[in-house]
Amino acid sequence: RKEVEQDPGPFNVPEGATVAFNCTYSNSASQSFFWYRQDCRKEPKLLMSVYSSGNEDGRFTAQRNRASQYISLLIRDSKLSDSATYLCVVTRIYNQGGKLIFGQGTELSV
Amino acid sequence: DAGVIQSPRHEVTEMGQEVTLRCKPISGHDYLFWYRQTMMRGLELLIYFNNNVPIDDSGMPEDRFSAKMPNASFSTLKIQPSEPRDSAVYFCASSLRSGVPNYGYTFGSGTRLTVV
Repeated sequence: RKEVEQDPGPFNVPEGATVAFNCTYSNSASQSFFWYRQDCRKEPKLLMSVYSSGNEDGRFTAQRNRASQYISLLIRDSKLSDSATYLCVVTRIYNQGGKLIFGQGTELSV
Repeated sequence: DAGVIQSPRHEVTEMGQEVTLRCKPISGHDYLFWYRQTMMRGLELLIYFNNNVPIDDSGMPEDRFSAKMPNASFSTLKIQPSEPRDSAVYFCASSLRSGVPNYGYTFGSGTRLTVV
């Protein structure tokens, strides 16, 4: 089982739709959580952090359930420009430093 | 700042050949990371450096892979000999801190490697 698992894609939605992505992580020692966006044939870029109480950034809302080890990303009023792959990322800090663990990603086509 | 610079952008090589990928991190970033991305396995951390010293190479797939960072502004990832299963996109990233994306964790544009 992968340490970070995401909904398989692709998600095909019309403009204006609301779409939600889910992510689960298996290591309870995971400390921080993020969503990255990756456009086709480009590098991943940080979209937003996920705070324990949930957070919003414009049309994007991230939430986390620590007990269920679950993270979500909600996109409201989808735009054509939202088409990309969305990567769930967890981090673990240990003596030698820290690691970002990436999910496989969920492809969105608007 | 020009960001993290990787070269070459594309590399096609024959099986058995040596391949060298290059990375210039953002000036002032103490951490440098090498990742590999494939359809099957997603984005995997291969190795990372702190102040030019390798800290964790547990993700390096096998002895055919080696990475060096001779100074703060340059790193290489070498595959010798290359095999078709090494075909992937290789990303370099640099950061002010390890494992913390909000501290300027920036990826380069990647090198798309095809081994035939």
